[in-house]
Amino acid sequence: DAKTTQPNSMESNEDEPVHLPCNHSTISGTDYIHWYRQLPSQGPEYVIHGLTSNVNNRMASLAIAEDRKSSTLILHRATLRDAAVYYCILRDGRDDKIIFGKGTRLHILP
Amino acid sequence: DGGITQSPKYLFRKEGQNVTLSCEQNLNHDAMYWYRQDPGQGLRLIYYSQIVNDFQKGDIAEGYSVSREKKESFPLTVTSAQKNPTAFYLCASSIVGDRLNQPQHFGDGTRLSIL
Repeated sequence: DAKTTQPNSMESNEDEPVHLPCNHSTISGTDYIHWYRQLPSQGPEYVIHGLTSNVNNRMASLAIAEDRKSSTLILHRATLRDAAVYYCILRDGRDDKIIFGKGTRLHILP
Repeated sequence: DGGITQSPKYLFRKEGQNVTLSCEQNLNHDAMYWYRQDPGQGLRLIYYSQIVNDFQKGDIAEGYSVSREKKESFPLTVTSAQKNPTAFYLCASSIVGDRLNQPQHFGDGTRLSIL
């Protein structure tokens, strides 16, 4: 799997939007970008994924750069329950394995 | 509701003892996975299985064993050969096929500690 680079931690204020960046400069044309998040003492939870176009769902939006070398997970209005570690992952479809890095620890300030 | 159930939530092991962690899913998923997570680290793959009676080693399989006798169940045994077993263990499942569009669903984990 190609590698991703994320900041170790970020802070945001409650009720404000949050933009979580991910760099994946070695992404190949068939790699999908997936995001998961992990709340304290829980298993990871799928958030969103995309290939080239921006994607929206009830949890978040995914903005993908035109050259696909970076992407941004957008939480439109952060709540305290969004405090978690967010993982950006590339999937190439060759196997079922997912490689999780250290992710970004998001702190939400009340 | 469909989901993945891991038990127990907390487990203690004595030196030299084997312990088995349970993972059951009712999502009708073919693929199941075991990951290990150490404090402040990402997840590392131990074993995975895409079909009943078949499984493959992940990146850190040494000291662990699995079985897949039923589609719904994928137990993990932490053997005495695993010298540093203290960790958070996570089980996941997914649909096989069209991997790029299929997320993995995770249980809430088992925290294993050494007495």
